[in-house]
Amino acid sequence: DAGITQSPRHKVTETGTPVTLRCHQTENHRYMYWYRQDPGHGLRLIHYSYGVKDTDKGEVSDGYSVSRSKTEDFLLTLESATSSQTSVYFCAIKGQGERQPQHFGDGTRLSIL
Amino acid sequence: AQKITQTQPGMFVQEKEAVTLDCTYDTSDQSYGLFWYKQPSSGEMIFLIYQGSYDEQNATEGRYSLNFQKARKSANLVISASQLGDSAMYFCAMREGGGSSNTGKLIFGQGTTLQVKP
Repeated sequence: DAGITQSPRHKVTETGTPVTLRCHQTENHRYMYWYRQDPGHGLRLIHYSYGVKDTDKGEVSDGYSVSRSKTEDFLLTLESATSSQTSVYFCAIKGQGERQPQHFGDGTRLSIL
Repeated sequence: AQKITQTQPGMFVQEKEAVTLDCTYDTSDQSYGLFWYKQPSSGEMIFLIYQGSYDEQNATEGRYSLNFQKARKSANLVISASQLGDSAMYFCAMREGGGSSNTGKLIFGQGTTLQVKP
């Protein structure tokens, strides 16, 4: 199994509160990604990182920010959570080389009331 | 624009039979990659198989094979000898572009739910 851990695994919070999800890897991979999964939409890319302090936006980045201060950790922050951000969030990592697949964490189920 | 389409929301297959899950894609790039993932009811995403746009042969991994038809822009997953444990949601995904500097971003289809009947 790819060494990737997401925390927390479940979280319930209220609208307007800040929320931070953590992705931790032990593989020393350069690339890390955050996705959200919603019914009928598959997985959609929120943000990704291609190195320490190197990040970029994905398809659905509004309302989210990320940080990567060290290789092993990639943080996703919802500055002021809204009910539309209720979702399952997946982190993924990828090794060097275009044939390398992304390997996913077990996901975080986030509910915003 | 890059797009992945999986037209079968749900499918049934009898145990021990083969099943094909459809995936079509749209891209203007000559270099790209196609991935299939399995998501069981427990929720984890499991990588199954990869096909590169320049690969001359269809990819195979055990009971999984990819029927890659480049001109038709399709990359269908074939599962042979279905097992009860194959019941899951299956996602097709595409990486646009290639090379050592590629970021590896994927776009995903909406998924197909497969149920294997005993």
